[in-house]
Amino acid sequence: SAVISQKPSRDICQRGTSLTIQCQVDSQVTMMFWYRQQPGQSLTLIATANQGSEATYESGFVIDKFPISRPNLTFSTLTVSNMSPEDSSIYLCSVGSSGDQPQHFGDGTRLSIL
Amino acid sequence: QKEVEQDPGPLSVPEGAIVSLNCTYSNSAFQYFMWYRQYSRKGPELLMYTYSSGNKEDGRFTAQVDKSSKYISLFIRDSQPSDSATYLCAMSPVTAAGNKLTFGGGTRVLVKP
Repeated sequence: SAVISQKPSRDICQRGTSLTIQCQVDSQVTMMFWYRQQPGQSLTLIATANQGSEATYESGFVIDKFPISRPNLTFSTLTVSNMSPEDSSIYLCSVGSSGDQPQHFGDGTRLSIL
Repeated sequence: QKEVEQDPGPLSVPEGAIVSLNCTYSNSAFQYFMWYRQYSRKGPELLMYTYSSGNKEDGRFTAQVDKSSKYISLFIRDSQPSDSATYLCAMSPVTAAGNKLTFGGGTRVLVKP
């Protein structure tokens, strides 16, 4: 399976600031996704990162808050904008390479907002 | 009500015992079913992946899907302390690679030596 690297692995940020998280894959993949895992909770899909076009956001998530880029088939970024303590979560990138194969995840970015 | 329900545990078993995990779901459109293992401070790691109903075995792991009951299970035989982790079930209505996965809340498992 693809090797997925996320940067940074963790960060502590001040409220009102923004942080960009990077997801790099060692091979070309068709699909890339961004999930959020809030403390003690399971994973929730934020958006699908589409190569060459705007990301597709799930209900409850908006582009102004979570802008996403996907310039090519191996890289994507998620920005968490104007952060508040409620944004303290683990943000995970996942990739899907072909139709019937399941998604694989990176190790996530642990974000704390003070 | 959540779309996918999973007992949060913790589930504590002695080493060598069988670990039994399960999830129930409400969306009959789910066709692809996955089990992920997540260690502390790590991302989810895929364990098992099944399509539609039936059983699948891989080493010490067996996954079962009963679509008529909207119920999936994961069994871990001869459990080891290294199996101590949180186990997440996940589901998708169409191809798992290209679609939103809906996760259960995860069950924390502790295997005691």
